[in-house]
Amino acid sequence: AQKITQTQPGMFVQEKEAVTLDCTYDTSDPSYGLFWYKQPSSGEMIFLIYQGSYDQQNATEGRYSLNFQKARKSANLVISASQLGDSAMYFCAMKAGKLIFGQGTELSVKP
Amino acid sequence: EADIYQTPRYLVIGTGKKITLECSQTMGHDKMYWYQQDPGMELHLIHYSYGVNSTEKGDLSSESTVSRIRTEHFPLTLESARPSHTSQYLCASSEPGQGVYGYTFGSGTRLTVV
Repeated sequence: AQKITQTQPGMFVQEKEAVTLDCTYDTSDPSYGLFWYKQPSSGEMIFLIYQGSYDQQNATEGRYSLNFQKARKSANLVISASQLGDSAMYFCAMKAGKLIFGQGTELSVKP
Repeated sequence: EADIYQTPRYLVIGTGKKITLECSQTMGHDKMYWYQQDPGMELHLIHYSYGVNSTEKGDLSSESTVSRIRTEHFPLTLESARPSHTSQYLCASSEPGQGVYGYTFGSGTRLTVV
């Protein structure tokens, strides 16, 4: 069975600090993709970063980086230099066939 | 500039009414999806389509139905709305294969049934 788990319902971070959002996954499919999406209070899903299961290097996109540890089946999102606008729900997702989502982490950035 | 459009953005409707949530995309994607999301919760796949005249039920059972008569259009219908249908409904489409960008999502429809 395929599963995505986010164990942090809520996280707080001080503005300009870095924060790590945890994500673990389970799949028997050797080919899969891992995604992080941001969902602000307005409700839309904003794509942040992607990591393929065969990618050797960790993905980076601006202030976002994905700490991919294949043996541990983890794909944590690191946001550097947090900004007030980063306050939102963050969802980890896995695509092995269809796209399935974790429970989400609500990030609050404090000034 | 959105490539996938959902209307209405918000809908408040009475119990027993029939409703159709619209979803259209301009990217020519064959694969389209509907997700249901309660506030602050994860997204659950309720329907998907891999092309015209193809529709399948997703992982979460839903009383809604979908149709795919045209590639760009994937509407979702509730024949008789109930308060338990109150939720956000997100439509998405995807490229073939894994695709670095995964799915493209619409802005969602927030449905409230009173």
